[in-house]
Amino acid sequence: QVQLVQSGAEVKKPGASVKVSCKASGYTFTGYYMHWLRQAPGQGLEWVGWINSNTGGTNYAQKFHGRVTMTRDTSISTAYMDLSRLRSDDTAVYYCAGDRGTLKFDYWGQGTLVTVSS
Amino acid sequence: NFMLTQPHSVSESPGKTVTISCTGSSGSIASNYVQWYQQRPGSAPTTVIYEDDQRPSGVPDRFSGSIDSSSNSASLTISGLKTEDEADYYCQSYDSSNREVVFGGGTKLTVL
Repeated sequence: QVQLVQSGAEVKKPGASVKVSCKASGYTFTGYYMHWLRQAPGQGLEWVGWINSNTGGTNYAQKFHGRVTMTRDTSISTAYMDLSRLRSDDTAVYYCAGDRGTLKFDYWGQGTLVTVSS
Repeated sequence: NFMLTQPHSVSESPGKTVTISCTGSSGSIASNYVQWYQQRPGSAPTTVIYEDDQRPSGVPDRFSGSIDSSSNSASLTISGLKTEDEADYYCQSYDSSNREVVFGGGTKLTVL
């Protein structure tokens, strides 16, 4: 069965960076885009960006331009999201989600809580 | 920027029917497909409707989706409400101009 397994919770100080991983199994990794989304405590879903798992091409939400980098390692079917210059309002659960290129999310990771606190 | 607006909350009794709206801010909501996701506390979202009105396998036919171009809105209708339907529901589409995925703010459904 399809699984997206994300790395564990992180606690970071303001100004630091965090890198979250998302390991895929049960489907052809390079056949899907991988999106990253986040959800602040008690808030709604927010799209961060996507990476084309085949080509490595990326598209980021304007809000995160310059702070986010998405990469992937096809040899281990894993996608990564790196968010830099963290602020307290970056505290959220970050999700990866697989998309066959139809701009909808077919598979979701379990979420990774990133806490930014001094 | 294209935005999607949902009511903050709705409530209805078991067995009844509820409709959650999702209104587009500009352009035509019909330009790109709308999806609906259900999210229970502490869990990742799951798809209940995709491509405006399609139901994934395993989603009961009590869930249906539609588009109304005249009001530039999408709707999720849940009939025969069950207590297990109590959750947050999000609509999602795509802003072609800015090449960004967009979500509505979410609607908390209470079944009481």
